[in-house]
Amino acid sequence: GDSVTQMEGPVTLSEEAFLTINCTYTATGYPSLFWYVQYPGEGLQLLLKATKADDKGSNKGFEATYRKETTSFHLEKGSVQVSDSAVYFCALSVATDSWGKLQFGAGTQVVVTP
Amino acid sequence: DTEVTQTPKHLVMGMTNKKSLKCEQHMGHRAMYWYKQKAKKPPELMFVYSYEKLSINESVPSRFSPECPNSSLLNLHLHALQPEDSALYLCASSQDTGGRKFYGYTFGSGTRLTVV
Repeated sequence: GDSVTQMEGPVTLSEEAFLTINCTYTATGYPSLFWYVQYPGEGLQLLLKATKADDKGSNKGFEATYRKETTSFHLEKGSVQVSDSAVYFCALSVATDSWGKLQFGAGTQVVVTP
Repeated sequence: DTEVTQTPKHLVMGMTNKKSLKCEQHMGHRAMYWYKQKAKKPPELMFVYSYEKLSINESVPSRFSPECPNSSLLNLHLHALQPEDSALYLCASSQDTGGRKFYGYTFGSGTRLTVV
């Protein structure tokens, strides 16, 4: 079945460091891919998405490119801030006739220190 | 309005209590979802409503009872819960995919439930 594998955390970084969180997937067909972020004590927020191969999603300085050849959707940010400390979830979509289901990865906790 | 609103934010209930969680959206989304999230884990799908009809029940125990009174509201009725049901309960909504691409959910901020 469809699945998502993302690197385990926690990932600890200093402020202004470069962040990469690896995400690979297994899917039939051509799913959409997502990164969601969950700040402490909050729900999940959509960070970025890509709906087809070679699409690049970007938001708040974060980027991820949908790579069909390597079945990957790695998340990157060039210079992290303390406020980026959160749990990041990679996910792929399974669409039905009228609703969709997200298959989430296990999540990666990111801790940014001053 | 681009939000999903969940109430209450926190709930403590005893194992013999009956309580309800509420979720509301005014984005015109016709699919609404309940997810359960344990600490440091990804969300797990519980129920899906599509056009106010229950489409999916992911083998959830009957002590959880969903209800969709109209296209904007989703409730989760709780009765005789166990301590292991303590978790963050997330509501989400999405547009009708029309069998095409799915563009993701809008999540609420969740209800943190503690069963004592």
